[in-house]
Amino acid sequence: QQQVKQSPQSLIVQKGGISIINCAYENTAFDYFPWYQQFPGKGPALLIAIRPDVSEKKEGRFTISFNKSAKQFSLHIMDSQPGDSATYFCAAWGGATNKLIFGTGTLLAVQP
Amino acid sequence: NAGVMQNPRHLVRRRGQEARLRCSPMKGHSHVYWYRQLPEEGLKFMVYLQKENIIDESGMPKERFSAEFPKEGPSILRIQQVVRGDSAAYFCASSPPSGRAGETQYFGPGTRLLVL
Repeated sequence: QQQVKQSPQSLIVQKGGISIINCAYENTAFDYFPWYQQFPGKGPALLIAIRPDVSEKKEGRFTISFNKSAKQFSLHIMDSQPGDSATYFCAAWGGATNKLIFGTGTLLAVQP
Repeated sequence: NAGVMQNPRHLVRRRGQEARLRCSPMKGHSHVYWYRQLPEEGLKFMVYLQKENIIDESGMPKERFSAEFPKEGPSILRIQQVVRGDSAAYFCASSPPSGRAGETQYFGPGTRLLVL
């Protein structure tokens, strides 16, 4: 119940394309869903986050879509750029847990 | 406004030695979290600390691992008698004191531990 399942494990997208990464959770007590971006050799950095009272949040080229009934949320990267190549982690927080539960990560490669 | 600081960035130890990893949270943050990341894997929660208190250590191995966050100074993750399987990147994160402490965490650059 504490797991967050993330897919795909890896993704190759052409420059200018749309990258889509999906996550699913079981615990309905989760009420905060951040995405983190991690470059090789660096720590994860908070990218964008959403709460379940909205179905979509957009910040620049990054959009989170949230489906509360399906217990799924996804990250969309529009106009993907080679500089977006990194590992992306979804996470969930809330309920009785006091820790972020992370997905297993998606390695994104944007080809020029 | 410095971010989360971790040192050392790289640490090499021989089997049986002790590894001591340090984390200084962002200014004003009183909550510290430690995570372990194995190659090609996600972030695994280890322990959550507040000043002078361990709040949740459910992710930390029962033996050889310990953590502290003293009143003064950085948080320390200590691994005694290291084994090759301890080789990983260890990340520290901090969050500000609030009613929803922990939902927004800021990560340090990590310490890469290699056990020979």
